[in-house]
Amino acid sequence: GAGVSQSPRYKVAKRGQDVALRCDPISGHVSLFWYQQALGQGPEFLTYFQNEAQLDKSGLPSDRFFAERPEGSVSTLKIQRTQQEDSAVYLCASSPQAGSNNEQFFGPGTRLTVL
Amino acid sequence: QKEVEQNSGPLSVPEGAIASLNCTYSDRGSQSFFWYRQYSGKSPELIMSIYSNGDKEDGRFTAQLNKASQYVSLLIRDSQPSDSATYLCAVKRSNDYKLSFGAGTTVTVRA
Repeated sequence: GAGVSQSPRYKVAKRGQDVALRCDPISGHVSLFWYQQALGQGPEFLTYFQNEAQLDKSGLPSDRFFAERPEGSVSTLKIQRTQQEDSAVYLCASSPQAGSNNEQFFGPGTRLTVL
Repeated sequence: QKEVEQNSGPLSVPEGAIASLNCTYSDRGSQSFFWYRQYSGKSPELIMSIYSNGDKEDGRFTAQLNKASQYVSLLIRDSQPSDSATYLCAVKRSNDYKLSFGAGTTVTVRA
């Protein structure tokens, strides 16, 4: 079956531009997560949705980062006025239920490069 | 102190040998523990999960958990060149949903 998909796979932005990254979770998955992975590091949590509700956004690094999941399926991570330090791979993961022991399935990521 | 720490790599092992990966965590409230494999340029893929003290075996992989020592390890037996990847340790608190990852250990299996 189809896994988590993300688009675009690669994005180059000039400093100060706004970008929007899309995540299509596995169909029917309740939980959706965004992580940021810098080169040579493990993923760092950004935000968590349960259906359309954003239950945790404690990992968003600044108010330039905004995420939404309006219909409880597709999610968009938006970064306004991008900075060079935003360059990273942005990973989306989904999980079938809301319980804490459920496996998170990761998408291929979007590699963002800010020039 | 980082929440999840892994032994620094890279780790190079000959084909057929055992690769041993270690991970320590700082939060005693952590209840779920995961090992992910990440090939270069690819997304993390779950290979093992462990929730209680002791050993859990799945094929050539064995995860070991010691909550008293706040330590979790992964053994890869009969290492193959296809096991060459970065292995990420991740932990989750019982009242939380997010994963906290270590920086990863890169394993290279020499043919």
